[in-house]
Amino acid sequence: KNEVEQSPQNLTAQEGEFITINCSYSVGISALHWLQQHPGGGIVSLFMLSSGKKKHGRLIATINIQEKHSSLHITASHPRDSAVYICAVRSEGTYKYIFGTGTRLKVLA
Amino acid sequence: NAGVTQTPKFRVLKTGQSMTLLCAQDMNHEYMYWYRQDPGMGLRLIHYSVGEGTTAKGEVPDGYNVSRLKKQNFLLGLESAAPSQTSVYFCASSGYPYEQYFGPGTRLTVT
Repeated sequence: KNEVEQSPQNLTAQEGEFITINCSYSVGISALHWLQQHPGGGIVSLFMLSSGKKKHGRLIATINIQEKHSSLHITASHPRDSAVYICAVRSEGTYKYIFGTGTRLKVLA
Repeated sequence: NAGVTQTPKFRVLKTGQSMTLLCAQDMNHEYMYWYRQDPGMGLRLIHYSVGEGTTAKGEVPDGYNVSRLKKQNFLLGLESAAPSQTSVYFCASSGYPYEQYFGPGTRLTVT
């Protein structure tokens, strides 16, 4: 079993829909990252969080440390949000990160 | 600021050839990482460095060597390339508070 699990693996939505991507992890962490990767593109950090909730534009990330779970929400989704979203955790006491396999999101116009 | 840069962007090698991938960052970050990304798998850590002159093995270090002679540069070497090393390689760096910044990636094919 992977130490970082994401769901769903693939997601297709209509423009304007509210989207939720989930990340569960089984190790102790000091931080969790949400990353975005466009097809053929580089990897961009969206959020780094260790507690609570962060918001940036239409993106919201939450984390529940006790339940070892994080969610990434996209409000009013748009075709340009189509990308792979990756959850990564920084293992407690180390500088190393463990990555989920990603959620491939496609938003249709 | 250029952020994190990687050279080359693409490379095709024959089995047994060697090459070096260069990663450079201009953010004065202490920590640098080399990952590989394969279809259906998450990014996997090859080697990392917590400061100039230091390196450490990650999850999949076999067949790779690294050096960090200067703080801004982290080199990944393949001494004798194998088809199993066909992958996309990403370099990343981080400083406090440890958010990772990624390079654009190098697509390597070993035939």
